[in-house]
Amino acid sequence: EAQVTQNPRYLITVTGKKLTVTCSQNMNHEYMSWYRQDPGLGLRQIYYSMNVEVTDKGDVPEGYKVSRKEKRNFPLILESPSPNQTSLYFCASRGLNGNNQPQHFGDGTRLSIL
Amino acid sequence: RKEVEQDPGPFNVPEGATVAFNCTYSNSASQSFFWYRQDCRKEPKLLMSVYSSGNEDGRFTAQLNRASQYISLLIRDSKLSDSATYLCAVRPMLNAGGTSYGKLTFGQGTILTVHP
Repeated sequence: EAQVTQNPRYLITVTGKKLTVTCSQNMNHEYMSWYRQDPGLGLRQIYYSMNVEVTDKGDVPEGYKVSRKEKRNFPLILESPSPNQTSLYFCASRGLNGNNQPQHFGDGTRLSIL
Repeated sequence: RKEVEQDPGPFNVPEGATVAFNCTYSNSASQSFFWYRQDCRKEPKLLMSVYSSGNEDGRFTAQLNRASQYISLLIRDSKLSDSATYLCAVRPMLNAGGTSYGKLTFGQGTILTVHP
């Protein structure tokens, strides 16, 4: 089954404790992306990656890091989480052939930073 | 002006009603258009792509108006199960070679509640 898998689904942690949210896709997609979703602000892109070892900032990259060492994986790293990073996070992927390739989303990760 | 704007609603309609949402975009280079559906606390799921000539999928019809830079979604014969948030998304094409690299930008979403 084609899917995007995120882990963990839920996490409550404390300020300053480094955490990583993993994202894996089995569709051989080149493009992967991280979003956060907050009430009233919609989905905002944090980082994206066009392919292995190619990453770039989205609209709200501050406080986040990513890496793309393998095509299937695109982890999101919060080196020193702060309460304003409490949010619902989505990883997404898509192929790059053709004009109308939609994005496929993971189930989401709800982070609470205390 | 936001890149993509939607009326957040909420829209409260009875079962069987026809409801329409609009979504305006500011980037005239936008080439790919989508409607997603998102249930509460779940991931967005693709409802349908929007093609230049307009397209229909069952009770759902999507249209594109390039001149006025908006897309629309029409839902006929609303069902209780249609209650959700509907997100529009647009993306420019930056590569004329047939691949599409541009960022997908989402609207804030329109909340629809269908009641008995």
